[in-house]
Amino acid sequence: ETGVTQSPTHLIKTRGQQVTLRCSSQSGHNTVSWYQQALGQGPQFIFQYYREEENGRGNFPPRFSGLQFPNYSSELNVNALELDDSALYLCASSLTAGELYEQYFGPGTRLTVT
Amino acid sequence: SQQGEEDPQALSIQEGENATMNCSYKTSINNLQWYRQNSGRGLVHLILIRSNEREKHSGRLRVTLDTSKKSSSLLITASRAADTASYFCATASGGSYIPTFGRGTSLIVHP
Repeated sequence: ETGVTQSPTHLIKTRGQQVTLRCSSQSGHNTVSWYQQALGQGPQFIFQYYREEENGRGNFPPRFSGLQFPNYSSELNVNALELDDSALYLCASSLTAGELYEQYFGPGTRLTVT
Repeated sequence: SQQGEEDPQALSIQEGENATMNCSYKTSINNLQWYRQNSGRGLVHLILIRSNEREKHSGRLRVTLDTSKKSSSLLITASRAADTASYFCATASGGSYIPTFGRGTSLIVHP
């Protein structure tokens, strides 16, 4: 078990709604990355936050947004949910950004959009 | 798009046998990492190998990297039922240290 926690564990939302997912990073880590993992696929990088600033973004539309707080915990917000947003959302924390690093993953939040 | 691609997609072996998974990638990398994922849960980091390294070991795991062939392999020796999981390679390339994951190899180890 890593020290990374995510909430909620499971979530069911309706198309068009908005959702907020939360992640608490491992103690001492200032970098959080978010990934989307569709069934049978590898994780796809959404974005990374380093010391409360966005530090890189994958190929996701602007309706995917995030925040990192002073305690380095993080939120992922998704607006105008679509059916294809159904996936496992993973956050990972690391000691820092900008160098070779090991990521510690949380257990994930499974989002179902109906 | 996914940079690393694992092969095979699925592997089924008996306990005690060795399991070998391969990862191929397209562009030059800074490092390559292997992760394990149990039953759609969080990923667990196994090994990171840098572009200037050729082989690394960790317990029953052995990772090789051949940058000329743009490929890596993960060997699990003396496999156990608890090794049943999906295994992913992730690469970071260019000026980015953000990993890009492949689709994974699903390993089943029968007791």
